[in-house]
Amino acid sequence: GNSVTQMEGPVTLSEEAFLTINCTYTATGYPSLFWYVQYPGEGLQLLLKATKADDKGSNKGFEATYRKETTSFHLEKGSVQVSDSAVYFCALSSYTGNQFYFGTGTSLTVIP
Amino acid sequence: NAGVTQTPKFRILKIGQSMTLQCAQDMNHNYMYWYRQDPGMGLKLIYYSVGAGITDKGEVPNGYNVSRSTTEDFPLRLELAAPSQTSVYFCASSYSLQQVATDTQYFGPGTRLTVL
Repeated sequence: GNSVTQMEGPVTLSEEAFLTINCTYTATGYPSLFWYVQYPGEGLQLLLKATKADDKGSNKGFEATYRKETTSFHLEKGSVQVSDSAVYFCALSSYTGNQFYFGTGTSLTVIP
Repeated sequence: NAGVTQTPKFRILKIGQSMTLQCAQDMNHNYMYWYRQDPGMGLKLIYYSVGAGITDKGEVPNGYNVSRSTTEDFPLRLELAAPSQTSVYFCASSYSLQQVATDTQYFGPGTRLTVL
């Protein structure tokens, strides 16, 4: 079946620190992979996506590379800001169905 | 464009009551979804629709019903509310020309429901 496993939080970092949030997946077929971000009191917003192996998604200084050999899509940012404090969700959609599968979310707090 | 809108934002129900959560999108998306988000958990898909008149069950459909009479609207119905349905409910939509949904989903702001 399809599933997403993501690094458990919460994660607390100082401003300008390096961020990695791990995400691995299990899927049949050829999934598309996504990172969504949820700010307090809001719905999820797409942060970045990758639709095939070796693609790199990037947005707002965040990056993630679709690694088929390790079934991973880790999120990275070189220098986090206080405004990056949010919950981050890894997700996949598969060609085998009309459904998205979300990880449990990782809460990030960045302190000045 | 308003995007995806949901009403109400908050609601408290008593056990056994019924209610409808409204969702509308103005982006002419063919796919629409309902998720629930429980504390510390990821999103679980309740129902989805690939177009007007077509709906299908997701991972956790029990206790809910949906309909899709228009492209824009996708209401979620709770017939007999139970404490286990206390959650935050998110509606989402996407557009895909393919047989399956692989494209970006756009989320509404959510409805926080408490069943006492």
